Amino acid sequence: TQLLEQSPQFLSIQEGENLTVYCNSSSVFSSLQWYRQEPGEGPVLLVTVVTGGEVKKLKRLTFQFGDARKDSSLHITAAQPGDTGLYLCAGARADYQLIWGAGTKLIIKP
Amino acid sequence: NAGVMQNPRHLVRRRGQEARLRCSPMKGHSHVYWYRQLPEEGLKFMVYLQKENIIDESGMPKERFSAEFPKEGPSILRIQQVVRGDSAAYFCASSPQPVYNSPLHFGNGTRLTVT
Repeated sequence: TQLLEQSPQFLSIQEGENLTVYCNSSSVFSSLQWYRQEPGEGPVLLVTVVTGGEVKKLKRLTFQFGDARKDSSLHITAAQPGDTGLYLCAGARADYQLIWGAGTKLIIKP
Repeated sequence: NAGVMQNPRHLVRRRGQEARLRCSPMKGHSHVYWYRQLPEEGLKFMVYLQKENIIDESGMPKERFSAEFPKEGPSILRIQQVVRGDSAAYFCASSPQPVYNSPLHFGNGTRLTVT
């Protein structure tokens, strides 16, 4: 069974702090997607990383795909209350399957 | 271009009744996934369909659960003889291509409560 281990499961920090969320697997993925979900809504795609070693930036969010395409990280700089939400990573295989992490619930306190 | 539409948003059923959840994918999207989510948890895969075909239903219990995606009309997830353990949020997601080429677009879910 393929697993995508996401950590931490829960993170509560003060506004202005930095944080990193990790997704790790022993399997290789053709791409890795990051989503954010707010209460009462469906997940919304933040970014897709495809190439090993790829780094993508979305304002204060930095996404990295591991060189071997088995792991990924999301780093948030100077977190703001608007960053609060459930962050989900999903690894795509070379067919139709998406392997999901269990999610990181992030709370940014003003 | 409307997003993925799910209805109803909230559904209350008594034990033993049937629940029908509808999902209209984005225009041009022929790949549909259904997921289940409990509060504060991640997504659990249920079924993957391409127009008129069930490709993978390995995440869905064979008893009481069924799904379809007809040539015309929305995708339907049907739960027969609901039990309290079926209470959850059910999300539908669609894409125009397989997910390794194209990410998913999610609806806002149907929250099923079984009393």
